[in-house]
Amino acid sequence: NAGVMQNPRHLVRRRGQEARLRCSPMKGHSHVYWYRQLPEEGLKFMVYLQKENIIDESGMPKERFSAEFPKEGPSILRIQQVVRGDSAAYFCASSPGQGIHQPQHFGDGTRLSIL
Amino acid sequence: QKEVEQDPGPLSVPEGAIVSLNCTYSNSAFQYFMWYRQYSRKGPELLMYTYSSGNKEDGRFTAQVDKSSKYISLFIRDSQPSDSATYLCAMRGGGATNKLIFGTGTLLAVQP
Repeated sequence: NAGVMQNPRHLVRRRGQEARLRCSPMKGHSHVYWYRQLPEEGLKFMVYLQKENIIDESGMPKERFSAEFPKEGPSILRIQQVVRGDSAAYFCASSPGQGIHQPQHFGDGTRLSIL
Repeated sequence: QKEVEQDPGPLSVPEGAIVSLNCTYSNSAFQYFMWYRQYSRKGPELLMYTYSSGNKEDGRFTAQVDKSSKYISLFIRDSQPSDSATYLCAMRGGGATNKLIFGTGTLLAVQP
């Protein structure tokens, strides 16, 4: 999993606060994906971004969640007004491009706990 | 019905055994199939990547895809305690979307 860097590794927030999760893709990768892993449920796709563009956000909750991948800097997954149900492991993956032979490589995740 | 079904296990085998892990799926549009290994508190690590039906071998690992039955398998030969992890199948369609659909994972324990 070396290469895709996520921070923080652990994040604790109280209900109503904001959570910001950061992801730096592997060198040379311009495509970023966010997934959420809940116990007993496996990984669920949230959003797919390229630099400065959201390509597919079909897995993002309609409210409180947003994501960006600016021209400079890491991709950010932002959760506003967190609730207990947001507690999960959030994984970022990256790939060099969109093509069929461009597998996604994952970081070690951010474990978000809501008090 | 989930798009991808995977037995969660746990599956416990003795060292040296052949392990068979399986997933079934319902979406006939899936064309690309992957197996990831995830150790506790770590991110998924790509093991195998296959396209359409057929077999692919890489060292002790063999991936099989049977599109007619909507069934994929991962075989691990000469299993080692270091293979103890959760194994996730994942798949995607052939269109523009890159999103992966994952199974829930099978927890494997290889006993020394």
